[in-house]
Formats: sequence, C-alpha cells, structure tokens
Amino acid sequence: QKEVEQNSGPLSVPEGAIASLNCTYSDRVSQSFFWYRQYSGKSPELIMSIYSNGDKEDGRFTAQLNKASQYVSLLIRDSQPSDSATYLCAVNIAAVDMRFGAGTRLTVKP
Amino acid sequence: GAGVSQSPSNKVTEKGKDVELRCDPISGHTALYWYRQSLGQGLEFLIYFQGNSAPDKSGLPSDRFSAERTGGSVSTLTIQRTQQEDSAVYLCASSFNGRALYEQFFGPGTRLTVL
Repeated sequence: QKEVEQNSGPLSVPEGAIASLNCTYSDRVSQSFFWYRQYSGKSPELIMSIYSNGDKEDGRFTAQLNKASQYVSLLIRDSQPSDSATYLCAVNIAAVDMRFGAGTRLTVKP
Repeated sequence: GAGVSQSPSNKVTEKGKDVELRCDPISGHTALYWYRQSLGQGLEFLIYFQGNSAPDKSGLPSDRFSAERTGGSVSTLTIQRTQQEDSAVYLCASSFNGRALYEQFFGPGTRLTVL
C-alpha cells in the first residue's frame, strides 16, 4: 500500500461545479496535511494546510481532515478553468518526513 | 518577500559530465529539501537539511549524488557522471519548521536534460 494515495484522474468537472479531490494515507501518526497545486511545467504551490480534524475554508477551497479514517480531501467550489492543474496531497509525519501523493489531474471545462 | 530561487532554470549536459544545481531558500527558513520529479511522475525526496544538523541523505538514489548547504542558507546539489536517467526537474523547497507547521515552499525548479 502506498503511503499517500490519490486517484490519478483525470477528473473533469464543468465550470461552476464543485471539484472533490480525495487522499488517503497509511501512517496513523501523521500530524500535518497539505494540498499543493501544480500547473503543467511549474513547481508545486501550497494552497491549503490542515492540522486538526474537521473543515478548513479559504475562499473557494475547503480542506477536510478525518484522522480516524486517515482521509483528507479538498473541495473547490465554483470551479474555474484556471483551476485546471494537478493537485498533490502531502502528509507530514515529522520535519523530514513529507510524503507526496502522485497527484490528481483536474480539468475544468468552460 | 522573495521566494525560493533556483539556478540554472535549465541545464543541458552530456552523459558523464558533472552538474551543480543551486538553491537559495526563503530568508529565515531553517529547513531545505531537494526533490526530483520525472516527467509525469510524483515528487521523489532526495535530501533534507535542518539548521546545522547532519543532513538526511536517505533519498539520494546513488553515490553520484551529493549536496551541501553552506552557512545554513544556500544549497548546492551535485550530480557526478550524469546518466540519461538523471534527466528530470530538480525542485528545492524550504520551510520554517517552527511551531510544527512544516509548510514547504518550492522554488521554480531546474530542468536537467542529460543527452
């Protein structure tokens, strides 16, 4: 079992819809969870951090964390074509131990 | 403020040559990471520096790879006797690692092509 698993996609949603991206992780001691957005040919950009169970909202983005289920998700409301990118889930166990998922490619169709 | 910077942005080299890639982290960040990303693939951890502690080299794929960090700031990743399979984008990230946040911020990367 991979340490951080994501559906590779591609995930396609129409403009204005909610995009739901999911991630599961295997290590129960994981403490910190992150979502990065990576446009083609660019480096990853941190868009959300979440440390406690529940929801965290930032603009159109909502991160959800359920440590009991070892599950973290990212919701993008009112999806825009500019949201089309690969989204990387990252899980941090300790300072050095950041594990990245392979990413989910999202396409938002106008 | 300034983000993480990397140089060069692109490097084309011939098989067997040595290359040096540079990373300048965000000012005040104590931790520095190197990753490799092959085309269409995920991030592969290479090495981690935290302050003045000995680096974690557990991700280096072979002894041809080495890295150093001078004065707790700028880092150089060196690849000796490059091979075609070394072709990838090499990403550097830095983080503060205070208050257990561990948020990593990435530089623009160096695209290495080994002919």
